[in-house]
Amino acid sequence: QQQVKQSPQSLIVQKGGISIINCAYENTAFDYFPWYQQFPGKGPALLIAIRPDVSEKKEGRFTISFNKSAKQFSLHIMDSQPGDSATYFCAASKSTGFQKLVFGTGTRLLVSP
Amino acid sequence: DVKVTQSSRYLVKRTGEKVFLECVQDMDHENMFWYRQDPGLGLRLIYFSYDVKMKEKGDIPEGYSVSREKKERFSLILESASTNQTSMYLCASSLDRGTGNEKLFFGSGTQLSVL
Repeated sequence: QQQVKQSPQSLIVQKGGISIINCAYENTAFDYFPWYQQFPGKGPALLIAIRPDVSEKKEGRFTISFNKSAKQFSLHIMDSQPGDSATYFCAASKSTGFQKLVFGTGTRLLVSP
Repeated sequence: DVKVTQSSRYLVKRTGEKVFLECVQDMDHENMFWYRQDPGLGLRLIYFSYDVKMKEKGDIPEGYSVSREKKERFSLILESASTNQTSMYLCASSLDRGTGNEKLFFGSGTQLSVL
């Protein structure tokens, strides 16, 4: 059962453009939503995370937008750079008890020079 | 610097072989995880452990077992490797326990091919 649906599967953006990756979840008990970034040959690394008490979180060029009623959250990469080319995974989990992260299927981003 | 080390970057095994994938973390983390990564399927949790000698099944435990005899080491075992276990295997660890919002630190992965 896929609990976190991620789209698109792949994305090509021009340098300087905005990259947008979307995720939707089913379990209303989820209350922690991180994004992980993975470069080729490396393991994923935490990029940014949000909790549903805020609708947006920004760290540099990376912003998470969160819509609790729609059960959706998205990653926006402003002024996209070739160095942002990577695979991005959204994830979700519950904060009560020991709850494991559920990952989306990933988005391969290519930023063309 | 935090570090999660996986013993092999590439591994080629034969069908039916017993395979051991080793992972070591140097951060004194409580929790350790094994994921497999397949194109179009994302990261799927195989097993995790929140303490020495403790283990819990993840979403796809069939065909796998794990061992955690020491806090820093978490091993994934394929009892009888099959071709459908060809995949990238990622080990991860995290410090927080019970909060559900643990930050995962991943190793670089082991690409296993079963022929």
